[in-house]
Amino acid sequence: DGGITQSPKYLFRKEGQNVTLSCEQNLNHDAMYWYRQDPGQGLRLIYYSQIVNDFQKGDIAEGYSVSREKKESFPLTVTSAQKNPTAFYLCASSFSYGYTFGSGTRLTVV
Amino acid sequence: GNSVTQMEGPVTLSEEAFLTINCTYTATGYPSLFWYVQYPGEGLQLLLKATKADDKGSNKGFEATYRKETTSFHLEKGSVQVSDSAVYFCALSDGTGANSKLTFGKGITLSVRP
Repeated sequence: DGGITQSPKYLFRKEGQNVTLSCEQNLNHDAMYWYRQDPGQGLRLIYYSQIVNDFQKGDIAEGYSVSREKKESFPLTVTSAQKNPTAFYLCASSFSYGYTFGSGTRLTVV
Repeated sequence: GNSVTQMEGPVTLSEEAFLTINCTYTATGYPSLFWYVQYPGEGLQLLLKATKADDKGSNKGFEATYRKETTSFHLEKGSVQVSDSAVYFCALSDGTGANSKLTFGKGITLSVRP
């Protein structure tokens, strides 16, 4: 079945460490997105990519980085510069009017 | 810029009650409108959508009509079930395909008690 796979489901990071969240899709979608979800704040756009080897900052890109070397993959790195990284991270892809979301990664800083 | 405003929550209803969740938006042009549902610990699932004014989206007994004159996309269901307990997000898209971005409301938690 086609879909988006995010891994891991739960991730723990020590302060000062970088960590990379994986997002893979087999839907052949051109566009991919990363959102951050915090309680009571909805979803906020971190980065998005409309085509391979190109990506754009969203509303809250500071402290994050991405790459898009393959159409299927859009990994997100949470760097030590992100001051409050504990959150639920959702990856999505889109084609026409259809957006498909992964099941999310819950990142906790310990 | 684009924005989506949802009514404050949480909402608690008894089974078989009528549900309305308000959503209004601000956008330039003619956005597409969506309702997404999120069950505990999961990602978002598309519930319904409308791509132009006066369109009605419907799915699983839920309905929402794209009202351009009031810039609204309120979600309704005539008789809720316990299984409808989830977080509901209203969203808009300012384009299509690879040129689009979704803007979300803050979401509202619905709890349905037996």
